[in-house]
Amino acid sequence: KAGVTQTPRYLIKTRGQQVTLSCSPISGHRSVSWYQQTPGQGLQFLFEYFSETQRNKGNFPGRFSGRQFSNSRSEMNVSTLELGDSALYLCASSTMESTDTQYFGPGTRLTVL
Amino acid sequence: GQQVMQIPQYQHVQEGEDFTTYCNSSTTLSNIQWYKQRPGGHPVFLIQLVKSGEVKKQKRLTFQFGEAKKNSSLHITATQTTDVGTYFCAGPSGSARQLTFGSGTQLTVLP
Repeated sequence: KAGVTQTPRYLIKTRGQQVTLSCSPISGHRSVSWYQQTPGQGLQFLFEYFSETQRNKGNFPGRFSGRQFSNSRSEMNVSTLELGDSALYLCASSTMESTDTQYFGPGTRLTVL
Repeated sequence: GQQVMQIPQYQHVQEGEDFTTYCNSSTTLSNIQWYKQRPGGHPVFLIQLVKSGEVKKQKRLTFQFGEAKKNSSLHITATQTTDVGTYFCAGPSGSARQLTFGSGTQLTVLP
């Protein structure tokens, strides 16, 4: 089975711009979770989608949003970028629950200048 | 909210030495998972422990889940350079239905 894929792998944006990241889960996995990883804050849960619905949400501002399509592919969007949004954004898929084994993608490295 | 703490934050060992990282949760966990992230890579699932007092082994890696299901440890015997990376524990955060990750232990193995 192909693993979780994420595009793009690297992004450079400036403050105030917005960005969209894409994630394709493992075939058959219905739960897609997004995490932000920074050196200072570690791995933090952003949100989880299941059957095109946001099922769980972490403690992030409304500038962070996402969606899931009928084929389970997911996108996350960050609007009005801030310097502090620079991070590795990881997508993870699991069979049913966001607390099940997480299969992570390679991540998107976002740099905000 | 739930907190998952890991110690130490960093560990440097000589190749062949043993290594242990500890994970402590502020709440009782239904299960605990361990992940490894190589430098420049992404977290990769290692194992899940479910039962109180459970011990599981994977070659040189030994995982334990505490009796109270609030702590866990990962022990590596005779480290190798391939063990380099950051080891994370993670547990479900109760009713929030999300995984809370520990801060990780970054292991460096000196040849």
